[in-house]
Amino acid sequence: GNSVTQMEGPVTLSEEAFLTINCTYTATGYPSLFWYVQYPGEGLQLLLKATKADDKGSNKGFEATYRKETTSFHLEKGSVQVSDSAVYFCALRVGDQGGKLIFGQGTELSVKP
Amino acid sequence: ETGVTQTPRHLVMGMTNKKSLKCEQHLGHNAMYWYKQSAKKPLELMFVYSLEERVENNSVPSRFSPECPNSSHLFLHLHTLQPEDSALYLCASSQEASIATQYFGPGTRLTVL
Repeated sequence: GNSVTQMEGPVTLSEEAFLTINCTYTATGYPSLFWYVQYPGEGLQLLLKATKADDKGSNKGFEATYRKETTSFHLEKGSVQVSDSAVYFCALRVGDQGGKLIFGQGTELSVKP
Repeated sequence: ETGVTQTPRHLVMGMTNKKSLKCEQHLGHNAMYWYKQSAKKPLELMFVYSLEERVENNSVPSRFSPECPNSSHLFLHLHTLQPEDSALYLCASSQEASIATQYFGPGTRLTVL
């Protein structure tokens, strides 16, 4: 079946540190991959996405590359800020399953000044 | 109002109560979704509506009853809930169910006593 596995949190970093949040997936077919972010008290917001192998999604300094050979979509940012503190969700969608998004369990990031 | 709105933001109810959650999208989308977000668990898709017709019911107990009167509004009617149903209920919408990006509301925090 289809599933997403993320590294467990919480992840605590100092401001300006480098961030990596690992995400690996299992999917039948050719999924699209997503990172969503959930700030405290808010709903999920799409952060970035990639729809085919070797695509790189990027937004707000975050990047993730769709790696088919390693079935991964790791999230990276070169220099985190306190305002990046949130929960990050990796997700996939397989086209033949309609709009169903399959989420990982989320990784909480806390950035300290 | 812009985006996806949900009311109420917080709800406390007893197991014998009947209540409803409301979602409204102001994006002109034609697909809407209900998700359940429980602590330490991945988001679970509950229902998908496309063009006001339910296209997916993800084995959700009958004590949850969705209603989509038009493409802008989605309700989740609740009755005889259990304490384990306490969670954050998120609504989302997209242009099309199968391929488009989903946009989320802020959620309703439900507590069942």
